[in-house]
Amino acid sequence: EAQVTQNPRYLITVTGKKLTVTCSQNMNHEYMSWYRQDPGLGLRQIYYSMNVEVTDKGDVPEGYKVSRKEKRNFPLILESPSPNQTSLYFCASSRSDRYSYEQYFGPGTRLTVT
Amino acid sequence: SQKIEQNSEALNIQEGKTATLTCNYTNYSPAYLQWYRQDPGRGPVFLLLIRENEKEKRKERLKVTFDTTLKQSLFHITASQPADSATYLCALISGGYNKLIFGAGTRLAVHP
Repeated sequence: EAQVTQNPRYLITVTGKKLTVTCSQNMNHEYMSWYRQDPGLGLRQIYYSMNVEVTDKGDVPEGYKVSRKEKRNFPLILESPSPNQTSLYFCASSRSDRYSYEQYFGPGTRLTVT
Repeated sequence: SQKIEQNSEALNIQEGKTATLTCNYTNYSPAYLQWYRQDPGRGPVFLLLIRENEKEKRKERLKVTFDTTLKQSLFHITASQPADSATYLCALISGGYNKLIFGAGTRLAVHP
């Protein structure tokens, strides 16, 4: 089954404790992105990757890091989480076909930073 | 500044009626616009894409229009059903490379 998986689905942590949210896709997609979703603000892109070892900042990259060492994986790293990073996070992937741009989203990771 | 606006108030309609959701944008010139459905606690699911040179796109009970002069897209669900109740998001392709800009979404509630 074609899918994007994220782990963990729920995470409660404390300020400053480094964490990683994993994302994996099995569709051989070139493009992958991370979004955060907050009430009233919608989905905002954090980082995106066009292929292995190629990443770029989205609209809200501060406080986040990413890496793309393998095509299927795109982990999101919070080196020193803060309460304002409490949010619902989604990973997404898509083909490089410029006539499509259809995003396949993961199930989401709900992060709470206390 | 660049903005995408969707009606933040929930849309309540009766089963069988046509639901119409609006997406307005300013200071963008998107080549494509997409609509997604999102159920509570789940990731968005792609529904339709419409290109700037297309005025209308249909898929089963769904219809999307794209007016680049008005800078507006309308999303219609005909013969609506309670199972259509969800939040609907519009998204613009901005700057290529799959850089999507999303609206905040409109919640649709279809009542029996």
